[in-house]
Amino acid sequence: SQQGEEDPQALSIQEGENATMNCSYKTSINNLQWYRQNSGRGLVHLILIRSNEREKHSGRLRVTLDTSKKSSSLLITASRAADTASYFCATDPKGGSEKLVFGKGTKLTVNP
Amino acid sequence: DGGITQSPKYLFRKEGQNVTLSCEQNLNHDAMYWYRQDPGQGLRLIYYSQIVNDFQKGDIAEGYSVSREKKESFPLTVTSAQKNPTAFYLCASSIPQNWAYGYTFGSGTRLTVV
Repeated sequence: SQQGEEDPQALSIQEGENATMNCSYKTSINNLQWYRQNSGRGLVHLILIRSNEREKHSGRLRVTLDTSKKSSSLLITASRAADTASYFCATDPKGGSEKLVFGKGTKLTVNP
Repeated sequence: DGGITQSPKYLFRKEGQNVTLSCEQNLNHDAMYWYRQDPGQGLRLIYYSQIVNDFQKGDIAEGYSVSREKKESFPLTVTSAQKNPTAFYLCASSIPQNWAYGYTFGSGTRLTVV
């Protein structure tokens, strides 16, 4: 079952601009994670935010979580061409035996 | 270096043939997972295992089988019962109840029916 839904499906920006991706989910969660996937490769874990946290930073990444709206956002600041990839949110549902449920992803293109 | 290795990178299957995808990790992770990725559909869970000699069906287990005889290895067999096997298959591992690093993924196997 697909829990997370990312928005937009695709995003194209210029180098140096900020990129914002959103994720909505349906059930209560223990945590929400963001992953990155370069074309034809495996996913790489970027950042995790727990259900009792509202905001988290890691380098150029900023993640917010609003459990009342069941939504999260990932902001990449000062984007670079190397940030071009697909980004997925994944939720750890309460009572879900620690099986992550992934969304369909946002494909980000950063033009040089 | 610790990591998770999937092989082969590309695999071609004829109609009616069973094929096995390899997944090996040296991270000492207890939990392992198999996901299928189709264009525009994200990742869907096929099977997962949280301990040796035990595994559970995911959302789309029909036509697939797994084994977990060793902690390091979690091979996936795509059987002839899987009617639409062409997809990108991803293996992952994790430490249960320790989300510090999330899932670690392999580089994937692209399976094509010919």
